[in-house]
Amino acid sequence: KQEVTQIPAALSVPEGENLVLNCSFTDSAIYNLQWFRQDPGKGLTSLLLIQSSQREQTSGRLNASLDKSSGRSTLYIAASQPGDSATYLCAVTEAAGNKLTFGGGTRVLVKP
Amino acid sequence: EAQVTQNPRYLITVTGKKLTVTCSQNMNHEYMSWYRQDPGLGLRQIYYSMNVEVTDKGDVPEGYKVSRKEKRNFPLILESPSPNQTSLYFCASRVAGTGYNEQFFGPGTRLTVL
Repeated sequence: KQEVTQIPAALSVPEGENLVLNCSFTDSAIYNLQWFRQDPGKGLTSLLLIQSSQREQTSGRLNASLDKSSGRSTLYIAASQPGDSATYLCAVTEAAGNKLTFGGGTRVLVKP
Repeated sequence: EAQVTQNPRYLITVTGKKLTVTCSQNMNHEYMSWYRQDPGLGLRQIYYSMNVEVTDKGDVPEGYKVSRKEKRNFPLILESPSPNQTSLYFCASRVAGTGYNEQFFGPGTRLTVL
């Protein structure tokens, strides 16, 4: 059974510092990996989608890498801002493509 | 605007009173799914649908029903809600295929069962 882990569960950094968020998964037979942002009590906003054949994706200050063989993905957020404070979730689409399996999330606080 | 909508956004009800949470998408997506989010347990899939009249159980289907009579709608039905179904519920959709496509999520429905 696929398990997705995000460490650390919480992270606090001063404004301007780069953020590094980690995600690991146990079964490398995935179709893709998605990173989401969730604000308190709100829905999920998709940030980046990396296909299983890709190594990385970039969008603005965000860069996500994928190492499928080792079961790891990293989300980098450059020059963090207070508005980046949120919970970041990673999720993998499994081989059958029928569901996302989510990690527990990393709660990020960027201090002004 | 391409979106997934859910109604209601907030609901407080009592044990045993049947309720339906609606989900609608305007992107002509074949695949739709329901998740619940609970502290310490994360997001877990309840049911999914690959297309009209095709539904299947996810990881935590007990106590829930779904139907897919139209492509755009995928309601979640709680026939006899219980307090352990108090949760934040999300509907999601994506293009069908082999699972390579991005999933889009609705804004969530916060349900409290007393």
